[in-house]
Amino acid sequence: GQQVMQIPQYQHVQEGEDFTTYCNSSTTLSNIQWYKQRPGGHPVFLIQLVKSGEVKKQKRLTFQFGEAKKNSSLHITATQTTDVGTYFCAGPFRAGGTSYGKLTFGQGTILTVHP
Amino acid sequence: NAGVTQTPKFRVLKTGQSMTLLCAQDMNHEYMYWYRQDPGMGLRLIHYSVGEGTTAKGEVPDGYNVSRLKKQNFLLGLESAAPSQTSVYFCASSPFYEQYFGPGTRLTVT
Repeated sequence: GQQVMQIPQYQHVQEGEDFTTYCNSSTTLSNIQWYKQRPGGHPVFLIQLVKSGEVKKQKRLTFQFGEAKKNSSLHITATQTTDVGTYFCAGPFRAGGTSYGKLTFGQGTILTVHP
Repeated sequence: NAGVTQTPKFRVLKTGQSMTLLCAQDMNHEYMYWYRQDPGMGLRLIHYSVGEGTTAKGEVPDGYNVSRLKKQNFLLGLESAAPSQTSVYFCASSPFYEQYFGPGTRLTVT
């Protein structure tokens, strides 16, 4: 079945260092979404990428969608303690026909930032 | 707007007991979902609904039942709880693509 893999599983950085998490799908995706979950919290939608090769920025966060629409990355420049949390990518889940908004989530990358 | 709310926030059950988790959304979304989150396994879809009166199985439906009698509510039931169902349960709603999650229910089955 469809799989969405994320690496690394854990990342520890010093405040001010950059951080990148990578997402790879076993199938071509129509779009990819990114979510952030703070410790003890719930996932919060960050962004959706739709076009091949698309790059979007949100302040210090840069999201990319691969040319083949099978991989994506999230890069954070100069991490801050407020960036701590788990970052998930998610792609539409398809088992024939429409996905009905269902998502297949990656396992997530847990980011810790040391001040 | 409250967004997506879930009750209860915490619950401890004994093996074999039953319970219902309630999810409510006030955004008039058609799609609603129940996930469970376990360490190292991300979010796994239990059941979902594409509209009032409809439900369908997700990735890990065994041991759970759902109902969506009203558009704004999505109920998740555990008929006979097992320790393997110890998890954090999240409900989400969606207008189609992005999903909006509730605060979660932490369930422990002893």
